[in-house]
Amino acid sequence: ETGVTQSPTHLIKTRGQQVTLRCSSQSGHNTVSWYQQALGQGPQFIFQYYREEENGRGNFPPRFSGLQFPNYSSELNVNALELDDSALYLCASSLGPRTYEQYFGPGTRLTVT
Amino acid sequence: AQKVTQAQTEISVVEKEDVTLDCVYETRDTTYYLFWYKQPPSGELVFLIRRNSFDEQNEISGRYSWNFQKSTSSFNFTITASQVVDSAVYFCALSGSGAGSYQLTFGKGTKLSVIP
Repeated sequence: ETGVTQSPTHLIKTRGQQVTLRCSSQSGHNTVSWYQQALGQGPQFIFQYYREEENGRGNFPPRFSGLQFPNYSSELNVNALELDDSALYLCASSLGPRTYEQYFGPGTRLTVT
Repeated sequence: AQKVTQAQTEISVVEKEDVTLDCVYETRDTTYYLFWYKQPPSGELVFLIRRNSFDEQNEISGRYSWNFQKSTSSFNFTITASQVVDSAVYFCALSGSGAGSYQLTFGKGTKLSVIP
């Protein structure tokens, strides 16, 4: 196990609702990245947080937002949920923002109906 | 733009056979990093290896070995004497050194089934 934890494990929401997913990074890691993994696909980068600020962002709309807290834990918020947001959301922590190995949590399975 | 291609969608082998998973990448960066991750049915991505673009030496770790060939932009992964516990989806990933080096670009994965 990597020491990265995510909550909740599973979540069912209705289209148009808002959701918050949580991630606790591995001890000593100051960087958290979020990925979306649709069924049968590879993970896609959403954004990264380093020292409580967004350090980079993938091709996701602004309704995907995040936070990082002083203890380096992080939240992913998604507003106005769409059916296509149904996916496994993975959080990864690393020692720093660039090129380091990223250690992944077990993921949160989000289903939007 | 960076791209990772894993042409093999699914592979089935009988236990104890050797199997090679292919990975081809594209990047404009001169310095970059390649990764392999394993995703068992539980869903958690397990880190296997990271290699940088300056180190083309092949690596072996137990039954796992990796063949990095810069000339063909490939980073292939071989499992020797496969076991049922090796059944999983395997992802190859790439990160660069320039803008956007914070993110991993993943291939679509290869699902490996090891049949007893």
